[in-house]
Amino acid sequence: DAGVIQSPRHEVTEMGQEVTLRCKPISGHDYLFWYRQTMMRGLELLIYFNNNVPIDDSGMPEDRFSAKMPNASFSTLKIQPSEPRDSAVYFCASSLRAVNTEAFFGQGTRLTVV
Amino acid sequence: DAKTTQPPSMDCAEGRAANLPCNHSTISGNEYVYWYRQIHSQGPQYIIHGLKNNETNEMASLIITEDRKSSTLILPHATLRDTAVYYCIVGAGSSNTGKLIFGQGTTLQVKP
Repeated sequence: DAGVIQSPRHEVTEMGQEVTLRCKPISGHDYLFWYRQTMMRGLELLIYFNNNVPIDDSGMPEDRFSAKMPNASFSTLKIQPSEPRDSAVYFCASSLRAVNTEAFFGQGTRLTVV
Repeated sequence: DAKTTQPPSMDCAEGRAANLPCNHSTISGNEYVYWYRQIHSQGPQYIIHGLKNNETNEMASLIITEDRKSSTLILPHATLRDTAVYYCIVGAGSSNTGKLIFGQGTTLQVKP
């Protein structure tokens, strides 16, 4: 398996535009996580899915953020409208089960909102 | 979720063992201890995890105290490529949700 695949690797957009980040988890993994990393706040868990169902979205900063997982092999994180403070590295991770296992992280998407 | 306390930074000489401590005094009986690291701006990388017993794999050893209130990650022969931020995480929650909550971690600098 190629691991967790995220796209794009880099995204530069203007304030107010819609941004969509994509993630392909490892095949067979039941859990998918979206994280955001900034210098100020470190790594923050935004939302996670179990078997394509959102379980906990308490980390989603506000209504401008939304995440979907239409099938087991694809997830999106959308920001609409984007703001400069959304600039960060967004990571997607997947794991086989909830505990006693390792999570595999993608290489991240570096988002810059100007 | 139980909280962890790690020193913000540590140095280690290349070729020597790096011992990274972590305190997790509020850990629950069914919570695992996980260690991840992040090299520069790459995605976090899993290292090792354990529940009660000490664990060893090709990357590192994990020593958990008998009362489980603290643990130590040991990199037996640190190399320059081990320079990274190391995260100790206790979880995944009392209900075993799978959530990994990252703290600030320990920045390990391996020096030649």
